[in-house]
Amino acid sequence: GENVEQHPSTLSVQEGDSAVIKCTYSDSASNYFPWYKQELGKGPQLIIDIRSNVGEKKDQRIAVTLNKTAKHFSLHITETQPEDSAVYFCAVPEGYSTLTFGKGTMLLVSP
Amino acid sequence: DVKVTQSSRYLVKRTGEKVFLECVQDMDHENMFWYRQDPGLGLRLIYFSYDVKMKEKGDIPEGYSVSREKKERFSLILESASTNQTSMYLCASSVIDTGEGEAFFGQGTRLTVV
Repeated sequence: GENVEQHPSTLSVQEGDSAVIKCTYSDSASNYFPWYKQELGKGPQLIIDIRSNVGEKKDQRIAVTLNKTAKHFSLHITETQPEDSAVYFCAVPEGYSTLTFGKGTMLLVSP
Repeated sequence: DVKVTQSSRYLVKRTGEKVFLECVQDMDHENMFWYRQDPGLGLRLIYFSYDVKMKEKGDIPEGYSVSREKKERFSLILESASTNQTSMYLCASSVIDTGEGEAFFGQGTRLTVV
């Protein structure tokens, strides 16, 4: 099955700094790469995704980059704010009807 | 507003009890999932279903079963609850091809087995 590794497991930054979270995957057939954010007491929610026909996608302070050759994709958050504090998960579709998630990164943004 | 609703936010059950976790989605999604979330282990797939009455085992199905009698409802059953099943349980739904769109999650059920 798909193997998804996510690093780091925890990340502490000062408000205004940038944060980068990286995921590697094993199945070269994967073509869709989403990132989810889980706030305290809530279920994960999609924040950005990228398809394999592009190398980078941006949405305001959030961006995702993809390197299909190296089989990794990364989440970039610029100008971090305290409300960015959450657990972030990468995911990769496995087969047709399932998603395999990374183990998550706890991001703490200190004021 | 799209929604996946789990019947309970918090549950406390005794060892050996039969436990039902219910999930309902209103998006007419084909896929429904049950994940278990534990610190340091991320989201682990217990079971999923791609159609009514269809079910497939995920990575950790032991001790669990599921039921999908209607498209919008997916139930997780702990046949005889054990303390090692104390966890956060998350239900999700998506369109049939997970490579085509977002998975929507419920708010989670925190189950404690004593």
